[in-house]
Amino acid sequence: DVKVTQSSRYLVKRTGEKVFLECVQDMDHENMFWYRQDPGLGLRLIYFSYDVKMKEKGDIPEGYSVSREKKERFSLILESASTNQTSMYLCASSFTGELFFGEGSRLTVL
Amino acid sequence: AQSVTQLGSHVSVSEGALVLLRCNYSSSVPPYLFWYVQYPNQGLQLLLKYTTGATLVKGINGFEAEFKKSETSFHLTKPSAHMSDAAEYFCALGRSGSGNTGKLIFGQGTTLQVKP
Repeated sequence: DVKVTQSSRYLVKRTGEKVFLECVQDMDHENMFWYRQDPGLGLRLIYFSYDVKMKEKGDIPEGYSVSREKKERFSLILESASTNQTSMYLCASSFTGELFFGEGSRLTVL
Repeated sequence: AQSVTQLGSHVSVSEGALVLLRCNYSSSVPPYLFWYVQYPNQGLQLLLKYTTGATLVKGINGFEAEFKKSETSFHLTKPSAHMSDAAEYFCALGRSGSGNTGKLIFGQGTTLQVKP
């Protein structure tokens, strides 16, 4: 089975802190994604990576950056966390179009 | 522009009753369509997908969906609801020009409640 592992299930951070969300997949997938999930809004794409060191902005990239130094690892970075970034963050990987998701990281910014 | 609309943010059914979750899409190219399920405190998992071919798609856990081009719909059904079906369901559309990358546009989600 494909496994996508997100390093932290729950985080609480203060406004202005730098936040790292880590994601690792074990199926050698080329494509990896970070989505944000908010009630009533579904999932919105933050960033997409189609290869090591390659990235593409999604629909809501403002306030976020990403890093993909190794094929299996895709990191989401909040340079200076703000309260409106309180949300559930979902990492996913894909090879044939089907997305495989991690369990999510629930971030609260105070 | 492409979009996905799920009709009804909450649906409640009795155990054993028919489940119908509605999804309409807008796309200028032939769509790839998906249904995902999210159980509490978990990530999403694929229920079923439509790419080409047969318009009635069968998925896991007894769910199926029918692609109707004329109605731009991809509604999810299950003949008999089980308590374990209580979850949030997302309809998703593959983005045009993205090939098979997995870049999807998601609907707002529908929470299914199953009453005993």
